[in-house]
Amino acid sequence: EDQVTQSPEALRLQEGESSSLNCSYTVSGLRGLFWYRQDPGKGPEFLFTLYSAGEEKEKERLKATLTKKESFLHITAPKPEDSATYLCAVQALTSYDKVIFGPGTSLSVIP
Amino acid sequence: EADIYQTPRYLVIGTGKKITLECSQTMGHDKMYWYQQDPGMELHLIHYSYGVNSTEKGDLSSESTVSRIRTEHFPLTLESARPSHTSQYLCASSVLGGRSGGPPKETQYFGPGTRLLVL
Repeated sequence: EDQVTQSPEALRLQEGESSSLNCSYTVSGLRGLFWYRQDPGKGPEFLFTLYSAGEEKEKERLKATLTKKESFLHITAPKPEDSATYLCAVQALTSYDKVIFGPGTSLSVIP
Repeated sequence: EADIYQTPRYLVIGTGKKITLECSQTMGHDKMYWYQQDPGMELHLIHYSYGVNSTEKGDLSSESTVSRIRTEHFPLTLESARPSHTSQYLCASSVLGGRSGGPPKETQYFGPGTRLLVL
């Protein structure tokens, strides 16, 4: 069964304290892995799509990496405005229709 | 920035009422989706559509129905709202993005959501 898990469930960082969020997935062939940011009461905001192991994408203080079994979202020198829930989602090669979302990691960056 | 809109943003309604949540996108995307998300929980797919006149049920059983008469519009209807329908409803649409020589990939873009409270 296709599955996505994320860890940790919640993370508190001091401003400037770099860290990484983990997304582990089990799918029958990966079509794509997606990272989203979601602020409270809002819809998810697209960040990155990764397609194959070894691929990396960067945007400001965020960098996403992908292996055959997991993806990491690295946050370098975070700021309070980076506080949000970060969602990971995968689409399997066998599924042209559906994207499976993980439960998310709630990130709080303290000034 | 994705151009996908949902109305209303917030709705408080009594049990038994019929409600329609609106979703529109101006990007010309063929595929559209409805998700349900409870606070702090995962997104669950309840309906999706490949295009005009196409509607499919998602993984989460839902008493709602959808229609797709126009490409840009994908409304969700609850015939008789109940307190168990209280949740956040998120609409999304996707474009087929391909890499040269590879299979098409999809990225979903989300609307701001509708928070529904049924009393």
